[in-house]
Amino acid sequence: GENVEQHPSTLSVQEGDSAVIKCTYSDSASNYFPWYKQELGKRPQLIIDIRSNVGEKKDQRIAVTLNKTAKHFSLHITETQPEDSAVYFCAASWLGRGGSYIPTFGRGTSLIVHP
Amino acid sequence: GAGVSQTPSNKVTEKGKYVELRCDPISGHTALYWYRQSLGQGPEFLIYFQGTGAADDSGLPNDRFFAVRPEGSVSTLKIQRTERGDSAVYLCASSPGGTGASNYGYTFGSGTRLTVV
Repeated sequence: GENVEQHPSTLSVQEGDSAVIKCTYSDSASNYFPWYKQELGKRPQLIIDIRSNVGEKKDQRIAVTLNKTAKHFSLHITETQPEDSAVYFCAASWLGRGGSYIPTFGRGTSLIVHP
Repeated sequence: GAGVSQTPSNKVTEKGKYVELRCDPISGHTALYWYRQSLGQGPEFLIYFQGTGAADDSGLPNDRFFAVRPEGSVSTLKIQRTERGDSAVYLCASSPGGTGASNYGYTFGSGTRLTVV
């Protein structure tokens, strides 16, 4: 099965700074990498995703990069705001027995943005 | 419905009791997933349905856990002889289903917080 490592576990930044969260995965067959934001007591929400045929994807202040050779991918948040404070999860999707892709999640990064 | 709905939102049960957790996926989504999230951890895969059948149950921790989806929409996760270690938030997600690109785009429910005392 897939194994996903996520770092750092906690990230504290000042408002306006950039934040970078890094993940590695083990199964070279994984080909879909979503990122989720989870606020306290709420459900995980998809914020951005990338597929293995793409090296980088950007959506306003959020970008994700993927290095398939090294099997690592990263989330970049620029111009951070206090409302970005949450736990962020990366995931690598592996092929389940039913023929669909199932995400394996990292342990999460608690991002704290200080005003 | 408009989103993935899970009931109850909170469940407290005594050790050894049986519990059922319900998930109502987004209308038309054929794929349904159950995850378990312990405090400070990422969601852990339990089981996945494609239609009515359990396509992959490799994440179920033991035979006390079972899930059904008899009509291909609502699913029930069943836990027998609950243990304190079963305490966690149980998340359900759904996606359009099928294979390849149509399977992308999981949407999670708000979860059921299970506490075994």
